[in-house]
Amino acid sequence: DAKTTQPPSMDCAEGRAANLPCNHSTISGNEYVYWYRQIHSQGPQYIIHGLKNNETNEMASLIITEDRKSSTLILPHATLRDTAVYYCIVGRSGNTPLVFGKGTRLSVIA
Amino acid sequence: GAVVSQHPSRVICKSGTSVKIECRSLDFQATTMFWYRQFPKKSLMLMATSNEGSKATYEQGVEKDKFLINHASLTLSTLTVTSAHPEDSSFYICSARDSLVAGAHTQYFGPGTRLTVL
Repeated sequence: DAKTTQPPSMDCAEGRAANLPCNHSTISGNEYVYWYRQIHSQGPQYIIHGLKNNETNEMASLIITEDRKSSTLILPHATLRDTAVYYCIVGRSGNTPLVFGKGTRLSVIA
Repeated sequence: GAVVSQHPSRVICKSGTSVKIECRSLDFQATTMFWYRQFPKKSLMLMATSNEGSKATYEQGVEKDKFLINHASLTLSTLTVTSAHPEDSSFYICSARDSLVAGAHTQYFGPGTRLTVL
């Protein structure tokens, strides 16, 4: 079973920051937080991952609380093309598969 | 970035026939690949882990005799849906990590194969 809880849906105005929360209260010490997104009828796309420090790349920022029980994915300037289902996944690196929860359906509105 | 391809992208078949789906890592080696299934408006469900040169590991509730997996090389895994029935209609997605990167994080996903069984 998935180890994360996310809101089922969110709306965001185009050009504004989209903040997607995720709860993972049972995360263990060697597990990472991964974020993927899936645009309709495509394979999931990697966004970002982190262990305990905040991370930023060209796509997004990941803020992880100090106790690691929750995190927030931030898309700084959402565009219509960011409309997708966003999955927060707790897991390990290497040959361990990612187990998907239900995700958050983000709708970016013009 | 690394690319995973799938073939075919969509297939329609008659009930009772078998369908083979190929998954290739195009610019990296993958000793392990993963197969997922996704029904409409649902999340991805892990079906099995494909291991190069050995037997696949199936998740609970997934019939190994119905979903045959072969991982004959470091860049190719195949999923064969045998004696397909309409309830097997789904979106099948494979993924892999780069085996040469120790502790690799990024799991790359293929574009998916939409199977429709009539």
